[in-house]
Amino acid sequence: SQTIHQWPATLVQPVGSPLSLECTVEGTSNPNLYWYRQAAGRGLQLLFYSVGIGQISSEVPQNLSASRPQDRQFILSSKKLLLSDSGFYLCAWSPATGHYEQYFGPGTRLTVT
Amino acid sequence: AQSVAQPEDQVNVAEGNPLTVKCTYSVSGNPYLFWYVQYPNRGLQFLLKYITGDNLVKGSYGFEAEFNKSQTSFHLKKPSALVSDSALYFCAVKRDSNYQLIWGAGTKLIIKP
Repeated sequence: SQTIHQWPATLVQPVGSPLSLECTVEGTSNPNLYWYRQAAGRGLQLLFYSVGIGQISSEVPQNLSASRPQDRQFILSSKKLLLSDSGFYLCAWSPATGHYEQYFGPGTRLTVT
Repeated sequence: AQSVAQPEDQVNVAEGNPLTVKCTYSVSGNPYLFWYVQYPNRGLQFLLKYITGDNLVKGSYGFEAEFNKSQTSFHLKKPSALVSDSALYFCAVKRDSNYQLIWGAGTKLIIKP
């Protein structure tokens, strides 16, 4: 069966510091990968998605970037965090073909102080 | 334009009573519809989906959803609510042009003992 991991679970970082959040998927090959941000425990905002290694599409221009160095690894980064980057970050995957439901990781709670 | 709406910000139901969480959608082609549940500080969990076929779809934890093409709705239902069903529920529809999902704003479901 497939499993998705995210770490860290929680993170408190000062303004201006760098960020690296990691997501890995097990038990599948060539998944579509997604980074979402959820603010105030409600709506989901798609930040980035990837259909393959090195292929990243950005939905919202902002202070963040994403990379996919391996087939089942997706990294969310920032060089300098802003207060507005605080939120709950969710990684998700979906099969490359046939099915469209997405499966989510446990999330990372980021607080920028 | 494609969209999905969850008209109720919060739904309150007494334990043991039936529950309904509403979702309406707008797509140009055939809809692919999904329901997810999110418990506090956790990732989203897939509940059920409608792709084609029977209008009544059964999913996890005793939930079901009814697809109504004429009303462009996909309401989530459960015959008898449990306190443990209290959570945030999201409806989503697949974009016409690709595999991404368009998300509703979420409905907070509160089940009172």
